[in-house]
Amino acid sequence: EDKVVQSPLSLVVHEGDTVTLNCSYEVTNFRSLLWYKQEKKAPTFLFMLTSSGIEKKSGRLSSILDKKELFSILNITATQTGDSAIYLCAVVKSGGYQKVTFGTGTKLQVIP
Amino acid sequence: NAGVTQTPKFRILKIGQSMTLQCTQDMNHNYMYWYRQDPGMGLKLIYYSVGAGITDKGEVPNGYNVSRSTTEDFPLRLELAAPSQTSVYFCASSPGERGGKNEQYFGPGTRLTVT
Repeated sequence: EDKVVQSPLSLVVHEGDTVTLNCSYEVTNFRSLLWYKQEKKAPTFLFMLTSSGIEKKSGRLSSILDKKELFSILNITATQTGDSAIYLCAVVKSGGYQKVTFGTGTKLQVIP
Repeated sequence: NAGVTQTPKFRILKIGQSMTLQCTQDMNHNYMYWYRQDPGMGLKLIYYSVGAGITDKGEVPNGYNVSRSTTEDFPLRLELAAPSQTSVYFCASSPGERGGKNEQYFGPGTRLTVT
């Protein structure tokens, strides 16, 4: 059975802190790993990772994938209250309809 | 470019009633999906479609039906609503294999309560 496990389940940090969110997975026929940010409504896409060791960056957010150890991390530096959200990790399988398995998410709260 | 739109935003149903959740995308995506999200449970796939006229079951299809007569539209039908179907429903689309892009674009969601 395909599994995507995120940790921690939740965390509270102060503005300006740096946080690291973890995502480990067990899937067959791995194609890519996706990170989403979910505030009050629908998830919004952050990153897609397909190759090990290549960091993706967008402003204060960055992410990297390790296909040997089957995990990814999402880093957020200099956190702001607007970063408060649930961060979802999802793994896409090859072939067919590209089955996507989501983790349950990490709830991040950034306090002033 | 509206992306993925869903209607209604909220709905309250009585047990045994039926309804259709509408989903439309204007990105010419082949792949479309219906998920439900229960609190603390992540997203569960209900049904998916890889193109007009082609649909198949996901992880939790019982109590639901779908159709895909056009590329743009992917309605989800609930027959005989039950309290266990109280959830937030998200529709999503993706380009699929084309161009190697497989990130999903989500609609704003429909919050459904069955009482």
